[in-house]
Amino acid sequence: NAGVTQTPKFRVLKTGQSMTLLCAQDMNHEYMYWYRQDPGMGLRLIHYSVGEGTTAKGEVPDGYNVSRLKKQNFLLGLESAAPSQTSVYFCASRPGTSVGKLFFGSGTQLSVL
Amino acid sequence: RKEVEQDPGPFNVPEGATVAFNCTYSNSASQSFFWYRQDCRKEPKLLMSVYSSGNEDGRFTAQLNRASQYISLLIRDSKLSDSATYLCVVNRWDNDMRFGAGTRLTVKP
Repeated sequence: NAGVTQTPKFRVLKTGQSMTLLCAQDMNHEYMYWYRQDPGMGLRLIHYSVGEGTTAKGEVPDGYNVSRLKKQNFLLGLESAAPSQTSVYFCASRPGTSVGKLFFGSGTQLSVL
Repeated sequence: RKEVEQDPGPFNVPEGATVAFNCTYSNSASQSFFWYRQDCRKEPKLLMSVYSSGNEDGRFTAQLNRASQYISLLIRDSKLSDSATYLCVVNRWDNDMRFGAGTRLTVKP
């Protein structure tokens, strides 16, 4: 049972570099989310999607872009990485019927130097 | 002020102890409430929902006080395996879930 799979698990970038984080879920969930987790801050929502082809901004969207071309995949892009984007990134998904029941991936530790 | 506030702890308790965590939220229009558990360097996992009437799941009891905008989690008969960080989560509307920074619990033999 794969559930929610994130790749890569770790990445180190230099300031100004770009990268894409991939999230894949095999549960046929409609909703998908990208969060970042920083010490003392709790998880904060970056972007989310309520279905294939749709995306919307969350609490902290600046510096990130997303795409959901297929229902099972949700991509998070950093066009020009900054040290402030050093964080742990979690992808999550949920079925349409369960508002609070998020299924999370195992996270991506990103360091921007 | 953070929208969801939790005592960061750490709470260090012996096995078998009862421990309670509190959480306050600032948005009175919040609709639903949850506790998640996060093990060190792992992803968060849903522990339980929180209902207005209070609810139990085994050794875990969750309570909600809407008037005071306060949520609690009580763990009875603590086990070593309960050691984790407990996240209070408040849902303002369908896709706007706000997470507290978490309360760290260590249960010792």
